[in-house]
Amino acid sequence: KAGVTQTPRYLIKTRGQQVTLSCSPISGHRSVSWYQQTPGQGLQFLFEYFSETQRNKGNFPGRFSGRQFSNSRSEMNVSTLELGDSALYLCASSLERLAIYEQFFGPGTRLTVL
Amino acid sequence: GENVEQHPSTLSVQEGDSAVIKCTYSDSASNYFPWYKQELGKRPQLIIDIRSNVGEKKDQRIAVTLNKTAKHFSLHITETQPEDSAVYFCAASRGGATNKLIFGTGTLLAVQP
Repeated sequence: KAGVTQTPRYLIKTRGQQVTLSCSPISGHRSVSWYQQTPGQGLQFLFEYFSETQRNKGNFPGRFSGRQFSNSRSEMNVSTLELGDSALYLCASSLERLAIYEQFFGPGTRLTVL
Repeated sequence: GENVEQHPSTLSVQEGDSAVIKCTYSDSASNYFPWYKQELGKRPQLIIDIRSNVGEKKDQRIAVTLNKTAKHFSLHITETQPEDSAVYFCAASRGGATNKLIFGTGTLLAVQP
C-alpha cells in the first residue's frame, strides 16, 4: 500500500505570495492532519480534516487555511506569506477519527519564503 | 493549555548502552501517546505507542512506560546501535475524540560507535 504523499516537495516563494500544498493520504484513510515543523517551534498542529470537514484547528492566523476533498485528499493554503512561514509542512493520515489509530506522516513540503 | 515537555534535548550514548527519554503532558484527558523517530531529512516515523489503559509496552529493544497519575511517559531503548541515531519526538493526544497530536520538543539521540 502506498504511503502518504505530498506535493510539491520543495517550494520557494517570496513575501506576500500565496501557496497551496497538497497531501494524498494512504488509501482508505479518511483523516488528514497538518503540522508545521520549524527548528524553533518544533512540530505544531495546524488542522485536522475528516469527511471533508475541518474538525480541529491549531493556533495559527487566518492566513492558514485548508480543505479536504471527497477522495480524502487535502490541501492547505497560506496567503500573504511571511518570512516566518518558512518551514517543513507535514501531513499525516489516519484511518478514522473517533477511535485511536496510528497516524502516518508524509515526506513533507519544504517551504522557503524569501 | 495543552503542553508536552520532553527531556533531555540531546542525548549521547555509547553503542550498546541504554537510552531513556522522558515526557510530561499537561492535558489529563490525553489517552494516546505515540513516539516518532525522525532521521535527518526524513519524515517522522511511528516507532511505538501506548494507550492510557496500559502501563508498559515493549517491542524488541524499545519500550514505553506510562504513569497516568504523574502524567509522565518514557521511551527506553536498550542495546543502542548507530542506526538509532535520530531525533525522537513524544506526543500526546485525546485519541478517540481527535487525531490532534501535541508534540514534545524532540530529543537528538547520538549513538557513538
